[in-house]
Amino acid sequence: GESVGLHLPTLSVQEGDNSIINCAYSNSASDYFIWYKQESGKGPQFIIDIRSNMDKRQGQRVTVLLNKTVKHLSLQIAATQPGDSAVYFCAENKNTGGFKTIFGAGTRLFVKA
Amino acid sequence: DTGVSQDPRHKITKRGQNVTFRCDPISEHNRLYWYRQTLGQGPEFLTYFQNEAQLEKSRLLSDRFSAERPKGSFSTLEIQRTEQGDSAMYLCASSVGQGNTEAFFGQGTRLTVV
Repeated sequence: GESVGLHLPTLSVQEGDNSIINCAYSNSASDYFIWYKQESGKGPQFIIDIRSNMDKRQGQRVTVLLNKTVKHLSLQIAATQPGDSAVYFCAENKNTGGFKTIFGAGTRLFVKA
Repeated sequence: DTGVSQDPRHKITKRGQNVTFRCDPISEHNRLYWYRQTLGQGPEFLTYFQNEAQLEKSRLLSDRFSAERPKGSFSTLEIQRTEQGDSAMYLCASSVGQGNTEAFFGQGTRLTVV
């Protein structure tokens, strides 16, 4: 069945360092892969997405890499800041007319000052 | 604040009671989603509306759950005969446009069934 999973439940990085959060997926039919950030007490917040026919996309301080050969997705955060501390979810989306989003379990990012 | 609004933020109910949650999406968004999230897990898809039409329901949505979006604006999610396993955060999200994956989430309604 469809599934999106994460390699590590927690990641701790020093402020100013780069962070890499990894994710494995199993559904090759997904149209998009998406990263969401969820801070405590809030709903998930969209960060960046990548279409399945791309292998890299850059945003502000973030880069998403997609490796379809090994079904792997990663989110790179440059110059990690304390405000980046949150749970990060990878998710996949297939256009079935409704863009149902399937979320993974999440990685908690701790940023040490 | 013009984001997605959910009410109430918290609900404590006794097992067997019925509860109803409300979601007000961003005004021009035609798509509305309900998700359920338990501690340490990612949100699980429950159901999706395009305008007033409910186009997809997860098999997680048992017959005790019903969702409506009567005028294509706000939506309600009702849980009948609540069970302790229904305790979770219920999230609403909305989006607009074709090919747009960016969904905007509300802060959720935290349900505790005692």
